[in-house]
Amino acid sequence: DAGVTQSPTHLIKTRGQQVTLRCSPKSGHDTVSWYQQALGQGPQFIFQYYEEEERQRGNFPDRFSGHQFPNYSSELNVNALLLGDSALYLCASSPGLAGVRVETQYFGPGTRLLVL
Amino acid sequence: SQQGEEDPQALSIQEGENATMNCSYKTSINNLQWYRQNSGRGLVHLILIRSNEREKHSGRLRVTLDTSKKSSSLLITASRAADTASYFCATLNYNNNDMRFGAGTRLTVKP
Repeated sequence: DAGVTQSPTHLIKTRGQQVTLRCSPKSGHDTVSWYQQALGQGPQFIFQYYEEEERQRGNFPDRFSGHQFPNYSSELNVNALLLGDSALYLCASSPGLAGVRVETQYFGPGTRLLVL
Repeated sequence: SQQGEEDPQALSIQEGENATMNCSYKTSINNLQWYRQNSGRGLVHLILIRSNEREKHSGRLRVTLDTSKKSSSLLITASRAADTASYFCATLNYNNNDMRFGAGTRLTVKP
């Protein structure tokens, strides 16, 4: 049973560019959350997807957008990259308990993004 | 914004000693969870304690929760070099449905 997978593992972009990160949830999980973790900090919640819709959003600008596909996989898109977007981006999946309540989350290994 | 604060920020102990990490949070919660992260990789779930529980055990881990003080502690007994990692507490409120992490405690266990 595969766990949460993310691609790519590392990425280097320049300011102003756009990036797409991908996540496949753990088998049987229908809810995907994305987090940004700056160096030396804890993860910060970006948004959560369930049934192909954004259900919850953290304090991130509209440059951060996402998508969830019918197979529950998800993408995180960041437009107009800034130096401050350099971070580890973590995807987490969970069984949504009928889509209402998310408890324990299973994290992928993350994508490390460097913006130059 | 981050929900809580872990204390201490860094902890260095000898193998075999116990390690205690504390977490404080600000808002009401339904549960609190502890996660471990090795070298900036993905987080691994360790233990979950609900708001109506006061103490929970899992192997060498012991977690306490004091909702009146909005604080939790994680005790790792008989530590091993393999326990070297960053430890994060995360709170969950069902109304918000987003998990809020603290800044973490960096634990180093020396062999």
